Amino acid sequence: DAGVTQSPTHLIKTRGQQVTLRCSPKSGHDTVSWYQQALGQGPQFIFQYYEEEERQRGNFPDRFSGHQFPNYSSELNVNALLLGDSALYLCASSLVGSRGANVLTFGAGSRLTVL
Amino acid sequence: GQQLNQSPQSMFIQEGEDVSMNCTSSSIFNTWLWYKQDPGEGPVLLIALYKAGELTSNGRLTAQFGITRKDSFLNISASIPSDVGIYFCAGQLKAGGTSYGKLTFGQGTILTVHP
Repeated sequence: DAGVTQSPTHLIKTRGQQVTLRCSPKSGHDTVSWYQQALGQGPQFIFQYYEEEERQRGNFPDRFSGHQFPNYSSELNVNALLLGDSALYLCASSLVGSRGANVLTFGAGSRLTVL
Repeated sequence: GQQLNQSPQSMFIQEGEDVSMNCTSSSIFNTWLWYKQDPGEGPVLLIALYKAGELTSNGRLTAQFGITRKDSFLNISASIPSDVGIYFCAGQLKAGGTSYGKLTFGQGTILTVHP
């Protein structure tokens, strides 16, 4: 049973560039959430997608956008990269309607470095 | 916004010792979760708590959902070297509609176990 898979695992960008991160949810899950984890901090909620729509959003600027596809996979896009966007980006999936919907399964993350 | 205060920030203990860490919030949550994160990995769920006052065990781990719904603690008994890692508490409010999302994380407790 495949868990949450993310790609790429590591990437380096320069300021001003754009980046796309990808996530495949755990088999059977239909909801994807994205979190940003700065070094030494807890993850911070970016947004959540369900039924191909953004359902909740955290305190992140419009430079952060996302998409969910019919197969439940998701992308996170960040435009006009800043040095402060350097972080581990975590994707988490869950299944709406189950008691365990509260319980997110996390991927290993994509480590983004902005130079 | 909501913030979680997790303490202690770090712990250095001997193998076999018991460990206790806690988390407090400025506002209430419906669900409390405890995750462990190893280097290069995403957080892995340890225990989920769904009701105020609930006490739940998972092997050597025990966690409680505070009766005020603003706090939770995690205990690890008889620590072993593989307990090393970063432990995060997370709180969740039930979102509107059918979606469940946004976890608010604490800053993490770094646990080091000396053999």
